Amino acid sequence: QQQVKQSPQSLIVQKGGISIINCAYENTAFDYFPWYQQFPGKGPALLIAIRPDVSEKKEGRFTISFNKSAKQFSLHIMDSQPGDSATYFCAARKGGYNKLIFGAGTRLAVHP
Amino acid sequence: DAMVIQNPRYQVTQFGKPVTLSCSQTLNHNVMYWYQQKSSQAPKLLFHYYDKDFNNEADTPDNFQSRRPNTSFCFLDIRSPGLGDAAMYLCATSKGQGNEQFFGPGTRLTVL
Repeated sequence: QQQVKQSPQSLIVQKGGISIINCAYENTAFDYFPWYQQFPGKGPALLIAIRPDVSEKKEGRFTISFNKSAKQFSLHIMDSQPGDSATYFCAARKGGYNKLIFGAGTRLAVHP
Repeated sequence: DAMVIQNPRYQVTQFGKPVTLSCSQTLNHNVMYWYQQKSSQAPKLLFHYYDKDFNNEADTPDNFQSRRPNTSFCFLDIRSPGLGDAAMYLCATSKGQGNEQFFGPGTRLTVL
């Protein structure tokens, strides 16, 4: 119930393509779903986050789609660039708590 | 710029030799976290401080301890490092409960 399942484990996309990473959860008490971007040797940085009262949130080329009934959410990166090559982690958190439950991560490589 | 600073960035220690990792923040956040991230894995929360209150995760080994002498600083002590403790250690902060976490760059610990 505490897990967040993330797929795929790795992803290769051509420059200009769309990168899609999916996450699923079981615990309906989760009410905050962030995505973090991590470059090698760096700490994770918050990319975009969503709460379950909306179905989609867009910030620039990054969009979160959220399906509450299916308990799934996904990150879409439009017009993917080589500079987007990084590891992406989805996460979830219960309301009023501090602990983030991370997915296993997706290593994205965008080829020029 | 307000930030989370970790020192040192790279730490080498010997099996069984105590080691201390340092985190400081200029964000004036009242919550500070320590995560362990092993190679190609998601960050795993070890413990966090909410103000002066220490919150240990149930599965954090006793070998890991923490100190928070003031709002700005937090230390991770590993009393007797084993080879399995080699990892990236990430410090994060947040303002209050349930808000965005800001991560530091991490300290990569090597155990010989």
